[in-house]
Amino acid sequence: EPEVTQTPSHQVTQMGQEVILRCVPISNHLYFYWYRQILGQKVEFLVSFYNNEISEKSEIFDDQFSVERPDGSNFTLKIRSTKLEDSAMYFCASSEDALYEQYFGPGTRLTVT
Amino acid sequence: GQSLEQPSEVTAVEGAIVQINCTYQTSGFYGLSWYQQHDGGAPTFLSYNALDGLEETGRFSSFLSRSDSYGYLLLQELQMKDSASYFCAVRHDYKLSFGAGTTVTVRA
Repeated sequence: EPEVTQTPSHQVTQMGQEVILRCVPISNHLYFYWYRQILGQKVEFLVSFYNNEISEKSEIFDDQFSVERPDGSNFTLKIRSTKLEDSAMYFCASSEDALYEQYFGPGTRLTVT
Repeated sequence: GQSLEQPSEVTAVEGAIVQINCTYQTSGFYGLSWYQQHDGGAPTFLSYNALDGLEETGRFSSFLSRSDSYGYLLLQELQMKDSASYFCAVRHDYKLSFGAGTTVTVRA
């Protein structure tokens, strides 16, 4: 069964550094998403992406964040100048269509020290 | 904005039935989804209701009443492996808005 994959599984970085989280969505899916989950809290929407453009973004997704589809398979989330409060689990998801089920990857645990 | 309310915890014994209620206030509502999450792992899609009524998928069923802004997930014949967090999520254009989750603990 096709699945969303994410790398790395765990990333440790120092405050102020830049990180890039990588995702490979399911191959025939056209809509891509990033969510985050701070430990013990709910899953929060960050951004959705379709046709090489951001479709929607939350107020969390400020100028510190950016997304890119650098090639036909990868979808990345870049966090510039990381802060302690960026420590969370970051989930990538994809769907065939905007209103179809979203399938989540295993997540990248980001720890900012 | 959006708000979703669901109970924080439920405990039941193996073989029992558990119902997790979810009430929501939101704009741009297309439907209600349910996800399962084990110990911070990937949220796994369980069920989706776009229209009023009951959807059954094996041991799990989900119900929606759009007029009452209410839905529930029904877990039947509980098994130990069902111990997890369950999230209701409102489906909008281009995103899901999640509730805080219900931790289900299944006891032998």
